[in-house]
Amino acid sequence: DAGVIQSPRHEVTEMGQEVTLRCKPISGHDYLFWYRQTMMRGLELLIYFNNNVPIDDSGMPEDRFSAKMPNASFSTLKIQPSEPRDSAVYFCASSLRRTAAYGYTFGSGTRLTVV
Amino acid sequence: AQTVTQSQPEMSVQEAETVTLSCTYDTSESDYYLFWYKQPPSRQMILVIRQEAYKQQNATENRFSVNFQKAAKSFSLKISDSQLGDAAMYFCAYRNPRGQLTFGSGTQLTVLP
Repeated sequence: DAGVIQSPRHEVTEMGQEVTLRCKPISGHDYLFWYRQTMMRGLELLIYFNNNVPIDDSGMPEDRFSAKMPNASFSTLKIQPSEPRDSAVYFCASSLRRTAAYGYTFGSGTRLTVV
Repeated sequence: AQTVTQSQPEMSVQEAETVTLSCTYDTSESDYYLFWYKQPPSRQMILVIRQEAYKQQNATENRFSVNFQKAAKSFSLKISDSQLGDAAMYFCAYRNPRGQLTFGSGTQLTVLP
């Protein structure tokens, strides 16, 4: 089991550019979460999916952010256009519903820097 | 909405000693789970220990144990025989019945040799 795989590990982009973060959950997991971590706001839940369907996107900061899960093995988080205040570490996590009580498995995160 | 509060931004402990990290939460639900995650400088989020709300017995994982006080909505983490490798940011987290995981602001633990 390779765990939750996120790419890229680091991303530096200029303000106004489109950024796409990628996540491959653990095979068979039916929950997928996107979190953002900053010093000021800590770990914030942005959106989560169950069986590829978005369940709650109330944490998505604004319309510049969008997330998709076209299939059970892939999800993207897109920021367009990016702004310096979007700089953060973005985590993806996955879980199997029936074992969610055992916690969620996190990827290594993508550190995004918008200059 | 659920909130998770960690009132200790920083803690330090001498190697081989015991330290307790505090966490309180606010919820109106009866069925939930609580977790402690560890985040070392590598930034990987590592599950340390979990507790089911319906269980009165406190969870234990080797040197890590919790003091779960459901009525007080308190969930503290005790680390015994602290090791240098325990140095990290520790996050308390609450999972509601719908699967959402909410984190506290974290406690930075320093282990002194």
